[in-house]
Amino acid sequence: QKEVEQNSGPLSVPEGAIASLNCTYSDRGSQSFFWYRQYSGKSPELIMFIYSNGDKEDGRFTAQLNKASQYVSLLIRDSQPSDSATYLCAVKGGAQKLVFGQGTRLTINP
Amino acid sequence: ETGVTQSPTHLIKTRGQQVTLRCSSQSGHNTVSWYQQALGQGPQFIFQYYREEENGRGNFPPRFSGLQFPNYSSELNVNALELDDSALYLCASSLGQGATHSPLHFGNGTRLTVT
Repeated sequence: QKEVEQNSGPLSVPEGAIASLNCTYSDRGSQSFFWYRQYSGKSPELIMFIYSNGDKEDGRFTAQLNKASQYVSLLIRDSQPSDSATYLCAVKGGAQKLVFGQGTRLTINP
Repeated sequence: ETGVTQSPTHLIKTRGQQVTLRCSSQSGHNTVSWYQQALGQGPQFIFQYYREEENGRGNFPPRFSGLQFPNYSSELNVNALELDDSALYLCASSLGQGATHSPLHFGNGTRLTVT
């Protein structure tokens, strides 16, 4: 079982709709959860991080964490073509490293 | 405030050669981590440096080594390059030794191609 799992996609969403990206993790001791966006050929860019159960909103982005279900999600409201990218879920426990999923490729269709 | 900078941007090496990649951390950040990202995969943790000492290592062979300098900049060295070492190498800086809630901020990466 992979430590962090994401559906690789591609996920296609119409412009203006809500894009929902999901991630599960195996280490129950994980404490911090991060979403990165990566455009093709570029490095990952931090979008959001969440530590506590529940929702965290930042503009059009909402991160959701459910530690009991070991599940993290990212919602993107009013999706724009510029949101088309690969979204990486990353999890950090007590150790130093971030463990990344393989990423979900998101395409927003005009 | 300057961000994380990496050099070179692109590099082409031959199998068996050695390579050194460089990273300058974001101002005020004392911890540097290195990641390898193969095409179509998520980044994989190589190692982390804090106060010039290795502070955690991923599942990479000893031919992957590093250094951190007093100004918190860092180098990644890879000896005896193999074709599978072709990847995007990412450097990230953060504040604090393994601080759980400290987000990582990545540099633009070095694209290494081994032929």
